[in-house]
Amino acid sequence: ETGVTQSPTHLIKTRGQQVTLRCSSQSGHNTVSWYQQALGQGPQFIFQYYREEENGRGNFPPRFSGLQFPNYSSELNVNALELDDSALYLCASRPDRAGNTIYFGEGSWLTVV
Amino acid sequence: AQTVTQSQPEMSVQEAETVTLSCTYDTSESDYYLFWYKQPPSRQMILVIRQEAYKQQNATENRFSVNFQKAAKSFSLKISDSQLGDAAMYFCAYREKQGGSEKLVFGKGTKLTVNP
Repeated sequence: ETGVTQSPTHLIKTRGQQVTLRCSSQSGHNTVSWYQQALGQGPQFIFQYYREEENGRGNFPPRFSGLQFPNYSSELNVNALELDDSALYLCASRPDRAGNTIYFGEGSWLTVV
Repeated sequence: AQTVTQSQPEMSVQEAETVTLSCTYDTSESDYYLFWYKQPPSRQMILVIRQEAYKQQNATENRFSVNFQKAAKSFSLKISDSQLGDAAMYFCAYREKQGGSEKLVFGKGTKLTVNP
């Protein structure tokens, strides 16, 4: 049990639509990151938030955006969905001190048709 | 950018035997963290073991241990007394600092099968 929960578990969207994925972290976990894991690949870093501000971003276009809220919940929003966006999206969080364990949720499976 | 390479797409081991999963990485930093994560069919990434680069001693967690060779940039995972529940995808990861943030850079994974 990592204390990181994600919703929904699975969803199917049509190309061009928008999607919002949600994550709830443990109290005190002020850093949250999102990863995209395509089938058969390792997770790829999308971006990181610290205390509601984005402070790091991977090689993903601006249509991938996020929000972090004071209650340790966060969102990943993807606009103008493309077929290649089909993947497992993982939320990860950790406490403030560097070196602490990063805890992952079980992910949200997104299929774009 | 740092890279992580897992050269074994699949490995298999007999129950109760020992197996070693390989990982190499590329970095110019001197202080960093390395991790092995397990991802069972449930998809949740579970931390198996971590190594801090400034520590000479290899990390150990029960049946799991690493062979950390800093000069060679190698970080292999040894699983002793393998159990059926160890069957999963195993990912090696490097924690990279990026400005004010940190991110994990993952390898492509090794699928471990445990045969009864």
